[in-house]
Amino acid sequence: AQKITQTQPGMFVQEKEAVTLDCTYDTSDQSYGLFWYKQPSSGEMIFLIYQGSYDEQNATEGRYSLNFQKARKSANLVISASQLGDSAMYFCAMREGAGGKLIFGQGTELSVKP
Amino acid sequence: SAVISQKPSRDICQRGTSLTIQCQVDSQVTMMFWYRQQPGQSLTLIATANQGSEATYESGFVIDKFPISRPNLTFSTLTVSNMSPEDSSIYLCSVEQGVIGNEQFFGPGTRLTVL
Repeated sequence: AQKITQTQPGMFVQEKEAVTLDCTYDTSDQSYGLFWYKQPSSGEMIFLIYQGSYDEQNATEGRYSLNFQKARKSANLVISASQLGDSAMYFCAMREGAGGKLIFGQGTELSVKP
Repeated sequence: SAVISQKPSRDICQRGTSLTIQCQVDSQVTMMFWYRQQPGQSLTLIATANQGSEATYESGFVIDKFPISRPNLTFSTLTVSNMSPEDSSIYLCSVEQGVIGNEQFFGPGTRLTVL
């Protein structure tokens, strides 16, 4: 069963607007972590934001915030004030337990229009 | 966050040959991971490499095809053996290091093309 689902293969957003990238997950563990990464065309994986399952507040990192809805098992990434440099693939990932491998979703390709 | 480098950054190889990819971290880390990203696909874990023990491989990956070394806490290598065009991928190493939740950071990747 797929554990991480990103239902938006591609998204467009106007420069300076906000955009939400969807991610749902499936786990029976009580302790888990959720990650978002950005992958530009160069191929590197850039860590953006982390949310732990026991964190009561939504994680924020600059223009990135994670809308964590535990009961719905969703961890959507919100990018505020989009910039042209935000155009890239975005991957949601989950780690079960305290440490170890990440399971990735299929990714969402974001295109920011000027 | 950890600074991770990989060598080579890219390579074009002939079918049947082998390539060894190096991953160097600027600090000591317990766990290192090797992922594969096939063209247009997401990332899939190949194996977890802990210093002083054999690597743990994921389903579908075997040591004979992807031997891994982890001689110390800052370095690891992944070899892609007897390559075929299906091995054309980006190979990425990653490490866990974080204050908040053991964030996982990735190296820049090795882009491999097999002809």
